[in-house]
Amino acid sequence: RKEVEQDPGPFNVPEGATVAFNCTYSNSASQSFFWYRQDCRKEPKLLMSVYSSGNEDGRFTAQLNRASQYISLLIRDSKLSDSATYLCVVNIKTGNQFYFGTGTSLTVIP
Amino acid sequence: EAQVTQNPRYLITVTGKKLTVTCSQNMNHEYMSWYRQDPGLGLRQIYYSMNVEVTDKGDVPEGYKVSRKEKRNFPLILESPSPNQTSLYFCASSRISSGNTIYFGEGSWLTVV
Repeated sequence: RKEVEQDPGPFNVPEGATVAFNCTYSNSASQSFFWYRQDCRKEPKLLMSVYSSGNEDGRFTAQLNRASQYISLLIRDSKLSDSATYLCVVNIKTGNQFYFGTGTSLTVIP
Repeated sequence: EAQVTQNPRYLITVTGKKLTVTCSQNMNHEYMSWYRQDPGLGLRQIYYSMNVEVTDKGDVPEGYKVSRKEKRNFPLILESPSPNQTSLYFCASSRISSGNTIYFGEGSWLTVV
């Protein structure tokens, strides 16, 4: 079983739509959680960390459910510039290992 | 500016010709790692290092070597490249602490013919 699993999509949504991505992780020792954004042929970049109480950054909201071992990302009022692949990332403190989902592809359509 | 720098960014080479991809970070991070990214497979870890002179295999280490003689540098060595090593490679680094994030280099496109 993969350490981190997420729906690869693709998600094709119109501008202004709200879209949600989910990600599940298998290791209960997972300590830190992140969403990264990766544009085509570029390096992944941190979008936001995910905190236990949930957190928001503008149009982006991240949630963590430790009991069910999943994290989510909600994007409101989608913009064309949101088109990218979104990677779910989990860090396990032991060995400082990072585990990555395969990414969810989002295309925002005019 | 905090960054991870890897070179070369693009390389076409022939089977069997040894090559090295360099990686350097200026953030004094203890942890460094190499990944390859292939369509449909996501990021797969090749090797990682928790500190100077400490390296460990990741999920796909075959055909690769690394070294960590200095904290800032973590080169990836392909002793005898083969076509199945054609891929996009990322070097990354992070601190070893709670809530740490991982920073990536811009990537190296490697084609082995």
